[in-house]
Amino acid sequence: GAVVSQHPSWVICKSGTSVKIECRSLDFQATTMFWYRQFPKQSLMLMATSNEGSKATYEQGVEKDKFLINHASLTLSTLTVTSAHPEDSSFYICSAREQGWARAKNIQYFGAGTRLSVL
Amino acid sequence: LAKTTQPISMDSYEGQEVNITCSHNNIATNDYITWYQQFPSQGPRFIIQGYKTKVTNEVASLFIPADRKSSTLSLPRVSLSDTAVYYCLVGDYKYYGGSQGNLIFGKGTKLSVKP
Repeated sequence: GAVVSQHPSWVICKSGTSVKIECRSLDFQATTMFWYRQFPKQSLMLMATSNEGSKATYEQGVEKDKFLINHASLTLSTLTVTSAHPEDSSFYICSAREQGWARAKNIQYFGAGTRLSVL
Repeated sequence: LAKTTQPISMDSYEGQEVNITCSHNNIATNDYITWYQQFPSQGPRFIIQGYKTKVTNEVASLFIPADRKSSTLSLPRVSLSDTAVYYCLVGDYKYYGGSQGNLIFGKGTKLSVKP
């Protein structure tokens, strides 16, 4: 199956610093990538949709200036958490949708996730 | 997007067949039904997808009745490693250039497999 790599898998940072998370589709091209956040014992919450070469679309309640998304190529999207605070501590997961037949059925392939801990 | 309802949790024993049913009464004509599996501290993993009738792969089977208002994920002979949360998602896939095709995750079903 298609592989999505997410890096780093775990990051600890001080309050006020920025953290960048990378999401790469390793063996396919992804016009669209998605970013989710998951708190303990809860389901995934969609934060934003990232389209290659255009601005991301953010879900209601997600601050676009705080969660910067860049999708500069068909295989890479990045999420930058700016001026992180302890309440931003969470599990961040990206997914990528493959072009072609899988796109028609919206099969998304997920990265392993990034555990962010803000001190 | 069609709303889905599935049991919060299920228990099973190793070697048993597990059937998880998902209700999606408002499913639309263009909607596909997709199931994902998620282990703790990992991203979800695609299991199976179907539109109608039955779909089978090396991992699971998906049964969808004619009215498509529900679907059942069947896991044959589960093992301890199948303990995970299983999500049923229903979504439509229209494309207008940058259309989103978002996946909206519900609470999922937490399957616990015991020895």
